[in-house]
Amino acid sequence: DSGVTQTPKHLITATGQRVTLRCSPRSGDLSVYWYQQSLDQGLQFLIHYYNGEERAKGNILERFSAQQFPDLHSELNLSSLELGDSALYFCASSVTRAGETQYFGPGTRLLVL
Amino acid sequence: GESVGLHLPTLSVQEGDNSIINCAYSNSASDYFIWYKQESGKGPQFIIDIRSNMDKRQGQRVTVLLNKTVKHLSLQIAATQPGDSAVYFCAENMRGSARQLTFGSGTQLTVLP
Repeated sequence: DSGVTQTPKHLITATGQRVTLRCSPRSGDLSVYWYQQSLDQGLQFLIHYYNGEERAKGNILERFSAQQFPDLHSELNLSSLELGDSALYFCASSVTRAGETQYFGPGTRLLVL
Repeated sequence: GESVGLHLPTLSVQEGDNSIINCAYSNSASDYFIWYKQESGKGPQFIIDIRSNMDKRQGQRVTVLLNKTVKHLSLQIAATQPGDSAVYFCAENMRGSARQLTFGSGTQLTVLP
């Protein structure tokens, strides 16, 4: 157990809908990272927050957004969902903002029908 | 753009043998590398890391070797066990103001009885 929690574990929804994925980092970690893992793309970095502020953006679509709250938990919002958004979404946390050792949560499996 | 890649997508070894998983990286600005293990249905699990000022680092049954001359990283697993069966990813972290991990495509390790 990495200490990173994610909810929900599974999510099934329809195209055009909006969903919110939640992540709680390990105790003491200030950084939260979101990744998407699909069969054809591997693990792709989406976005990084440090202590409530956005630090870096990766291959994140404009339909996707995230935020980190004062209690350091983070939410990833996916809207206008398409079939191709079906994937595993992981969050990871680390102590610093340097992007170093990141501990991953168990992931949320999203299926868009 | 530069990225981390893996030489082999699959590797099968006999239980008790040693395993070697390879990874090539092309970004000379990378100064920190991590190996992750991902079991089916789970999030990536940190195994071992190494900084660019080191050539070798050992953990419990695992050793990471870094050859900066040829930009090559390897993970050696001693006395491979059935529980080692998983996908192994290498990830690199580049110097810069917006650090993030870039993952390779992964190697599926299968331990044969």
